[in-house]
Amino acid sequence: GAVVSQHPSWVICKSGTSVKIECRSLDFQATTMFWYRQFPKQSLMLMATSNEGSKATYEQGVEKDKFLINHASLTLSTLTVTSAHPEDSSFYICSSASGGGYYNEQFFGPGTRLTVL
Amino acid sequence: KNEVEQSPQNLTAQEGEFITINCSYSVGISALHWLQQHPGGGIVSLFMLSSGKKKHGRLIATINIQEKHSSLHITASHPRDSAVYICAVEQGAQKLVFGQGTRLTINP
Repeated sequence: GAVVSQHPSWVICKSGTSVKIECRSLDFQATTMFWYRQFPKQSLMLMATSNEGSKATYEQGVEKDKFLINHASLTLSTLTVTSAHPEDSSFYICSSASGGGYYNEQFFGPGTRLTVL
Repeated sequence: KNEVEQSPQNLTAQEGEFITINCSYSVGISALHWLQQHPGGGIVSLFMLSSGKKKHGRLIATINIQEKHSSLHITASHPRDSAVYICAVEQGAQKLVFGQGTRLTINP
């Protein structure tokens, strides 16, 4: 199947700093990528939909000024957690579908574990 | 009430047992996904289905659109099947809504 990579796989940072997470589709073009957050023992929650060449669409309750998403190319989307605080500590996962329409299998990145001290 | 409900939340079984995980949803969907999440966090897509039944190795997934219900079955379970299994429904434009997951532990 298709491959999605994330970098870094884990990061520890001080409160107040910004952290950038990269999500790459390695063998297909991803016009749409999704960013999820997962707290311990909980399921994934969609944060935003990242569209290549346009602004991301954020889910209700997700601060777009805090979680900056850039989808500059068909293979790369980035999520920047700005002025991170301990409550932002979580597991962040991206995904993409291999095609542009409905009924497409989704491929998930391996996730990035963020710990804010 | 969540839009996607899974049962059981936790399941422990002995190696070799037949496993069933259930998923019910309350919204209209275009497709349903079964995902597997290992302890390290990585997620693998097991099935995507919109009707009927699919089989891959020891895994079988079924869906009943009228009853808004899907099941994931594992035959001849093995300790390496231990993981969290997540049901997710797709409501359009590939956007997924996730169940809370079922933590499966298979003991040798």
